[in-house]
Amino acid sequence: KNEVEQSPQNLTAQEGEFITINCSYSVGISALHWLQQHPGGGIVSLFMLSSGKKKHGRLIATINIQEKHSSLHITASHPRDSAVYICAVRHLNSGGSNYKLTFGKGTLLTVNP
Amino acid sequence: KAGVTQTPRYLIKTRGQQVTLSCSPISGHRSVSWYQQTPGQGLQFLFEYFSETQRNKGNFPGRFSGRQFSNSRSEMNVSTLELGDSALYLCASSRGYSYNEQFFGPGTRLTVL
Repeated sequence: KNEVEQSPQNLTAQEGEFITINCSYSVGISALHWLQQHPGGGIVSLFMLSSGKKKHGRLIATINIQEKHSSLHITASHPRDSAVYICAVRHLNSGGSNYKLTFGKGTLLTVNP
Repeated sequence: KAGVTQTPRYLIKTRGQQVTLSCSPISGHRSVSWYQQTPGQGLQFLFEYFSETQRNKGNFPGRFSGRQFSNSRSEMNVSTLELGDSALYLCASSRGYSYNEQFFGPGTRLTVL
């Protein structure tokens, strides 16, 4: 079982729809990142969370540390939101210092006009 | 402020050769991490450097190595290339060694023939 699981793997939506992408993890973490990757490879960091909720424009990210779960929401989706969205967790190793990033497999979002 | 730069952007090598990839972080950033991205495995953590010291290492064979210079620029080296090393190699920089937001470079696309 992967340490970071994302769902769904693929998501197709119509412009204007509300989108939710989920991320579950099984290890202790110090932070969780949501990344966006467009065709061609460039990766942009959207959010870094250690608790609660963050909002940036039409994007909202939440995390529940007790349930080891995070969600990324996109309101009023647009075709330019089409990309791969990747969840990554920064492990908290037994010594209490920050450790490596482990990535989910990504969710391919396609928003049709 | 300039972003993270990686050179070269594309590289073709043959099995058995070695390769060196370069990453220049954002000015003022002292941490550089390296990642490998393949269609099958997704994104995987290679190693992280801070102040010229390797702080964390992923589960890759010893053929993969790296270093960081006093100006925070980093290089990674892969010796005795195998076909399976074909991948997009990404580096990311962050301000400090902690759970900081990471800024990704455009990547180096390595093809091993």
